Amino acid sequence: QVQLQESGPGLVKPSETLSLTCTVSGGSVSSGSYYWSWIRQPPGKGLEWIGYIYYSGSTNYNPSLKSRVTISVDTSKNQFSLKLSSVTAADTAVYYCARDYRGYSGTRHYYMDVWGKGTTVTVSS
Amino acid sequence: QTVVTQEPSLTVSPGGTVTLTCASSTGAVTSGYYPNWFQQKPGQAPRALIYSTSNKHSWTPARFSGSLLGGKAALTLSGVQPEDEAEYYCLLYYGGARIFGGGTKLTVL
Repeated sequence: QVQLQESGPGLVKPSETLSLTCTVSGGSVSSGSYYWSWIRQPPGKGLEWIGYIYYSGSTNYNPSLKSRVTISVDTSKNQFSLKLSSVTAADTAVYYCARDYRGYSGTRHYYMDVWGKGTTVTVSS
Repeated sequence: QTVVTQEPSLTVSPGGTVTLTCASSTGAVTSGYYPNWFQQKPGQAPRALIYSTSNKHSWTPARFSGSLLGGKAALTLSGVQPEDEAEYYCLLYYGGARIFGGGTKLTVL
């Protein structure tokens, strides 16, 4: 079955760029039915969708983060990545990657069915 | 700024029934928002339960059901089990954007 695994530094300094990678196993990031999303969760708070990428490279970002976010895909490595620039303590969170399905079986469906375990990123000097 | 609102907390007795709701600041939630529901337990990633209002994933227990109720998306748990104590999040699709609700902490007591 498809599994997702986040990786990257657990500590980032304020004003620097947070960089994370999600590796997809058991499936292909090039599958046409899926977008690939990043979601984060600050300590003790709720989930926030950051954005998604399609294998073609098309993206869509949360407007509140759009000016600082870049999501990219590397189909040769079966990975997609997140960069968040100019981080502050408010960006401290658990970051999740997720498979984001868009399909049609008589009717349109959207769902996020497979999630990584999450990786904790702390912004601190 | 669109906001998706859930009850902050609910309490239910074991074996009971409880309904969680999900409202949109833009107006009534319809099937066109493709409401999704997730369960999250402490220290774990969210687990998908319901998609497109009322569809269950293959792993979703039968006691969970989704619907539209009074202009909101709803998640109903019937015959609640102690292991259902968790945080529950709804997710609405606004065209290309996705917005999560703030979550409902469900206590089984």
